Parts: sequence; structure tokens; C-alpha cells
Amino acid sequence: KAGVTQTPRYLIKTRGQQVTLSCSPISGHRSVSWYQQTPGQGLQFLFEYFSETQRNKGNFPGRFSGRQFSNSRSEMNVSTLELGDSALYLCASSLVGADYEQYFGPGTRLTVT
Amino acid sequence: QKEVEQNSGPLSVPEGAIASLNCTYSDRGSQSFFWYRQYSGKSPELIMSIYSNGDKEDGRFTAQLNKASQYVSLLIRDSQPSDSATYLCAVNYPNAGKSTFGDGTTLTVKP
Repeated sequence: KAGVTQTPRYLIKTRGQQVTLSCSPISGHRSVSWYQQTPGQGLQFLFEYFSETQRNKGNFPGRFSGRQFSNSRSEMNVSTLELGDSALYLCASSLVGADYEQYFGPGTRLTVT
Repeated sequence: QKEVEQNSGPLSVPEGAIASLNCTYSDRGSQSFFWYRQYSGKSPELIMSIYSNGDKEDGRFTAQLNKASQYVSLLIRDSQPSDSATYLCAVNYPNAGKSTFGDGTTLTVKP
């Protein structure tokens, strides 16, 4: 089976802009979770989608949003970018959910200048 | 107190030795426990999952779970330089419907 794919792999944006990241899960997986990883904060849970519905949300501001399509592909959007949003954004897919075995994509490295 | 705590590290072991990585968690209701390996510049990779008390072995890796003491550990036997990575412990929080990750322990295996 093909693994989790994420696009783009690298992105440079300016403060105030918005960005959309994409994730395609492993075939058959209906759960997609998004994480932010920074050296100082570690791996932080953003949200999880399952069958097009947001099931859980982490402690992030409303500038961070997401959605999931009927084919389980997911997008994450960050509006009004801040310097502190610079991070590695990881998508993980799971057969069951974000509280069980997860398989991560390669990530999108976002740099905000 | 953090929800999931790991050895602060870094941990350095000689090639061929046993590396022991520890993780404690705060929620007694946790039911699922995972170890992920993350190489520098790469994404986390699931290497072990454990759901019941005791040991679970997979090749050179053994996960140990003690729910009464609220800890989970990962032993790597015959450590190889290719095992050098950051190891993340993840614990599920059933009421939150998510896994919480520890900050990771960086392991270096010296030839």
C-alpha cells in the first residue's frame, strides 16, 4: 500500500498570508490527524477528521482549520500567518482514530518570514 | 506535570548494548501505548504498540507496559548505529479521543 503523502513538502510564506496544506491518507484509512512539530513544543495535536467530520481539536487558535473530503483526503488551512507558525506540519492517517496506531506522512516544512 | 514524560536524554550507548527508554503517563484510563522512531529531518514512524500489561517483543525491540505504575518502556537489544534517532512515546487519552506524545528521547548508538 502507498503511504501517506503530503504536499507541498516545503513552503515559504510571509506574515499575514494564508496557506493550505494537503494530505492523502493510506488507502482505506478514514481518520486523518494533523500535528505541528517545533523544537520547543514537540509534537502538538491540531485536529482529527474522520469520515469528513472533525472529531477532535487541539488547543490552537481559530486561524488553524481543516476539512476532509469524501475520498478521505484532508486539507489544513492557516490564515493570517505569524512568525510562530513556522514549523513542520505532519499529517497522520489511521484506520481507527487518532488515539490508536497512526502512520505519518513526510510533513510540510512551513517557514514564515 | 506533563501528561506524558520521557527521559530527558540524550541517551548514548555503545553498539551492541541494550538501550532502555522510559515513559510515564498521568491518565490511568489510558489503554493504548505507542513508540515512534523519528530520524533527524524525517517524520515519526510507528515501531511498537502495546495494549496490555507485560512485554511485547518484535525483533530487537521489546515494549513493556505496567499500568499500575503508569509507565511504558522500550528496550532495544543489540543496538546498532542505525537505531540512532529520537524515540517518541504516545499514550491515548480515551476521553479526548487522541494520543498525546512525549517530548522524545534522543538515542545515539556509538560504533
